[in-house]
Amino acid sequence: GAVVSQHPSWVICKSGTSVKIECRSLDFQATTMFWYRQFPKQSLMLMATSNEGSKATYEQGVEKDKFLINHASLTLSTLTVTSAHPEDSSFYICSARRGTSEWETDTQYFGPGTRLTVL
Amino acid sequence: AQKVTQAQTEISVVEKEDVTLDCVYETRDTTYYLFWYKQPPSGELVFLIRRNSFDEQNEISGRYSWNFQKSTSSFNFTITASQVVDSAVYFCALSEMGYSTLTFGKGTMLLVSP
Repeated sequence: GAVVSQHPSWVICKSGTSVKIECRSLDFQATTMFWYRQFPKQSLMLMATSNEGSKATYEQGVEKDKFLINHASLTLSTLTVTSAHPEDSSFYICSARRGTSEWETDTQYFGPGTRLTVL
Repeated sequence: AQKVTQAQTEISVVEKEDVTLDCVYETRDTTYYLFWYKQPPSGELVFLIRRNSFDEQNEISGRYSWNFQKSTSSFNFTITASQVVDSAVYFCALSEMGYSTLTFGKGTMLLVSP
């Protein structure tokens, strides 16, 4: 299989605090992981692409200093929402790309998501 | 630029009915990949299928089948004899050769009632 876990599954925090979300590929190595954001009844919006050992590539409009991404190992990527505000409340989903070929589009396997509520 | 259109926002069917979810895509690339994912109420996206642009053979997996037609840029998904557990949002996605990012459609919510 291709299992991706996320922790925590949900988190409630006060405005101004930082929240860290972990994404792990449990049974395969993932050189590339992705972070998405999903609002209710909407599609997934790609926030950033995370490559192991290098800086993340952020999509246009995503604040790098607010959404810190670290991909320190082939099985772990973290997303830190810094100084969270109510508008950051959303469903955050990570995915891991299985495979390392630059020319092959390998399947992305998704984590179960983290529901963030900022009060 | 690539684009995926799922024109059906919501579909409601009664159990045991067949249902087809439409997906139309746009891409300038000749080599690309198409995907379908299922997102049940729990929120986790479940991978269903991946096809590359060179393989137009239709595929069947149990009650699921996929019809890929390059001539109409469509990759439709049919569920035969639908069940309540099929209720979910289904996303079609596209990725071009050499790029690992996915472009998602807006999703189709399928509600199967008993």
